[in-house]
Amino acid sequence: GAVVSQHPSWVICKSGTSVKIECRSLDFQATTMFWYRQFPKQSLMLMATSNEGSKATYEQGVEKDKFLINHASLTLSTLTVTSAHPEDSSFYICSARDRRPEAFFGQGTRLTVV
Amino acid sequence: GQNIDQPTEMTATEGAIVQINCTYQTSGFNGLFWYQQHAGEAPTFLSYNVLDGLEEKGRFSSFLSRSKGYSYLLLKELQMKDSASYLCAPEHSGSWGKLQFGAGTQVVVTP
Repeated sequence: GAVVSQHPSWVICKSGTSVKIECRSLDFQATTMFWYRQFPKQSLMLMATSNEGSKATYEQGVEKDKFLINHASLTLSTLTVTSAHPEDSSFYICSARDRRPEAFFGQGTRLTVV
Repeated sequence: GQNIDQPTEMTATEGAIVQINCTYQTSGFNGLFWYQQHAGEAPTFLSYNVLDGLEEKGRFSSFLSRSKGYSYLLLKELQMKDSASYLCAPEHSGSWGKLQFGAGTQVVVTP
């Protein structure tokens, strides 16, 4: 299997509130999940890598206290954008891997902070 | 770290062939991925090259030269639905699964 489901597909929230995005591997067990952010007409920027049961590893420049990642099981990882601001508006995408070389991507979540 | 370079945009007509080049510099290398991304959608896997040479998969082929830090994606018999961004992603050794993407090449297919 190779299906990764991301929820919600889009969300609008008020500035200062928090938003949780879920990433689930539906038909395989993901040993590692990755979170990316993509601004319009730009490439995917890796934010963090998460392994089940351990703390996420964040890329340089990504605030771990602002982008909380939890990888509670082999099929679920969550990204919480805390105290969201308009500059956090972006397309957030997760990907998941098992033993196969390729990563499988979720559908993405378009976050708009107003 | 990695330095990934690919053209910003390429235009070609339906039925034609387009070759998207990608050069990279990385300290340690496992293999190289190509992904396709339509606007507003998540990327979909196209190919993964580990060894030097050409891998053919239907209308799409991918080539890798490890010693030159070079890869290309070849799209044949272009169709309108091939209009998308094509992302080159070298995989750094020791960071299995962690992909850093190039800026992507926007391919525009015209009638």
